[in-house]
Amino acid sequence: DGGITQSPKYLFRKEGQNVTLSCEQNLNHDAMYWYRQDPGQGLRLIYYSQIVNDFQKGDIAEGYSVSREKKESFPLTVTSAQKNPTAFYLCASSREQGRRTEAFFGQGTRLTVV
Amino acid sequence: RKEVEQDPGPFNVPEGATVAFNCTYSNSASQSFFWYRQDCRKEPKLLMSVYSSGNEDGRFTAQLNRASQYISLLIRDSKLSDSATYLCVVNGRNTGFQKLVFGTGTRLLVSP
Repeated sequence: DGGITQSPKYLFRKEGQNVTLSCEQNLNHDAMYWYRQDPGQGLRLIYYSQIVNDFQKGDIAEGYSVSREKKESFPLTVTSAQKNPTAFYLCASSREQGRRTEAFFGQGTRLTVV
Repeated sequence: RKEVEQDPGPFNVPEGATVAFNCTYSNSASQSFFWYRQDCRKEPKLLMSVYSSGNEDGRFTAQLNRASQYISLLIRDSKLSDSATYLCVVNGRNTGFQKLVFGTGTRLLVSP
């Protein structure tokens, strides 16, 4: 079955550590996205990628980095420069179908700084 | 001004009630509109796309008003299982690439 997979589901990080969140999709989608969600708040865009080897900053890119070396994969690194990384991270992918571009989400990674 | 704005709620309604949510968007070039549902601590899932002519799926009706730049979601005969956060999503064009923009969501609580 096609889908989008995020791992791990839960992640604990010590202060000052970099961590990488995995996102893989087998939907043959061109576009991929990373969002951050804080308790009781909406989704905020961190980075997005339209095509392999290209990505753009979203609204809250500081302290994060991404790569898009393969169409299927869009890993997110949360660096030590991100001052408040504890949040729910969601990866999504989409493919333009005419004028519709619905997004499919992974199950999310819950990151906690300890 | 936010690109997509929603009333955060919560909307507290009894079972069987009809409830409506609105969402406004600022980018007049937006072409695609969606409603997603998000349950607590879960990922958002597509509820329905919103078409210019309006569309209905069972108890759910979505409408688009391009002139006023808002979309709406109407839920009839509310069920306890409808309790969730409803996210408005707009496809905003950004230098040729359609970027998805999410509203902060409207929380619905349906009580017995």
